[in-house]
Amino acid sequence: GEDVEQSLFLSVREGDSSVINCTYTDSSSTYLYWYKQEPGAGLQLLTYIFSNMDMKQDQRLTVLLNKKDKHLSLRIADTQTGDSAIYFCAESKSSYKLIFGSGTRLLVRP
Amino acid sequence: GAGVSQSPSNKVTEKGKDVELRCDPISGHTALYWYRQSLGQGLEFLIYFQGNSAPDKSGLPSDRFSAERTGGSVSTLTIQRTQQEDSAVYLCASSQWTSGRINEQFFGPGTRLTVL
Repeated sequence: GEDVEQSLFLSVREGDSSVINCTYTDSSSTYLYWYKQEPGAGLQLLTYIFSNMDMKQDQRLTVLLNKKDKHLSLRIADTQTGDSAIYFCAESKSSYKLIFGSGTRLLVRP
Repeated sequence: GAGVSQSPSNKVTEKGKDVELRCDPISGHTALYWYRQSLGQGLEFLIYFQGNSAPDKSGLPSDRFSAERTGGSVSTLTIQRTQQEDSAVYLCASSQWTSGRINEQFFGPGTRLTVL
């Protein structure tokens, strides 16, 4: 079946790197995503990676994908207080149906 | 331009009542999605509309839930005879559509439903 798991909470100091981890079960997933949810706001797509890639970098964000272990991670360099939010990992096999994890709440301490 | 809007932002209802939740997608987006986010849970896919195609209703949890999309734009999610376990944030998203490619979903702020 389809299942996406994340740790619930991560606390880091401002300026440090944050690494948010995610595991998924569906090896046929085509796309993997990271979404950010800030209080009172809708989810915002941060980045995504195709399943035939193992790394993608976008400014302060680095996504690593280990297909063998079905493990996805999001690294945020030089974490800022504005990065405090809930981060959702999601997978999909189709172009539209997303399967989300339960979210990791990132708290950035000044 | 305007993003996805949803109304109401909050809805409190009594068990057994029917509720309607509205979603206005981004203009020009042909695909529309409904998700449910229960406390401490991830988003649960409910239903997907794309153009004139038959909707994918595979995520609707029971026959008390239904949704329609009129004129290919505004969508209404209806929950009949609400139960306490229906309490959640209901999120709507819309996207452009290209088969076989990533279609970024733009989310609305959600409707928080509380069933007493």
